[in-house]
Amino acid sequence: KNEVEQSPQNLTAQEGEFITINCSYSVGISALHWLQQHPGGGIVSLFMLSSGKKKHGRLIATINIQEKHSSLHITASHPRDSAVYICAVRSGSSGSARQLTFGSGTQLTVLP
Amino acid sequence: EPEVTQTPSHQVTQMGQEVILRCVPISNHLYFYWYRQILGQKVEFLVSFYNNEISEKSEIFDDQFSVERPDGSNFTLKIRSTKLEDSAMYFCASSGAESSYEQYFGPGTRLTVT
Repeated sequence: KNEVEQSPQNLTAQEGEFITINCSYSVGISALHWLQQHPGGGIVSLFMLSSGKKKHGRLIATINIQEKHSSLHITASHPRDSAVYICAVRSGSSGSARQLTFGSGTQLTVLP
Repeated sequence: EPEVTQTPSHQVTQMGQEVILRCVPISNHLYFYWYRQILGQKVEFLVSFYNNEISEKSEIFDDQFSVERPDGSNFTLKIRSTKLEDSAMYFCASSGAESSYEQYFGPGTRLTVT
């Protein structure tokens, strides 16, 4: 069973700061998701990656398969980025085991 | 942009009652999932569904739970006899064919069992 750990659990930043959220997992995976959960509870998929790096606007996600580690970066943070950011991994080989195992989430608060 | 929808957004029920949570996945997706999140806890996988049958399920998904795709567009989760500990946010998700595993989540149904 994959164990997914996120750090930090809580993060408070000033508007404009560069933010990094980390995720590590215990067992090899076929894909890793970064998700955003807003106070109302809805979940939005930000990235899915299995290697390298992806960028979308001010968000950057990287993954190091050998080290079993991924990071989510937010550049020029803004109060509207305040949310819970969740890492979720899919274990198993391609075509099997599609279920996701979730981390506990990182509560990000960006102050104006 | 296509999205996963869920109804109702909030369901209150009494212990022992049956509830059905409904989801409309993205129309050309083939894989469907239910997850739940108890307040303050991690999101947990319940079940995945493909080709009109369950493909994976967790230990949480016991005989009290069932899933169905009754009409080719809806995907439902039924809890036969609700317990207090079933109170949670239930998320439906869907994903496309073999080459695309990204899962798209619905807004969730908050189930409160009293």
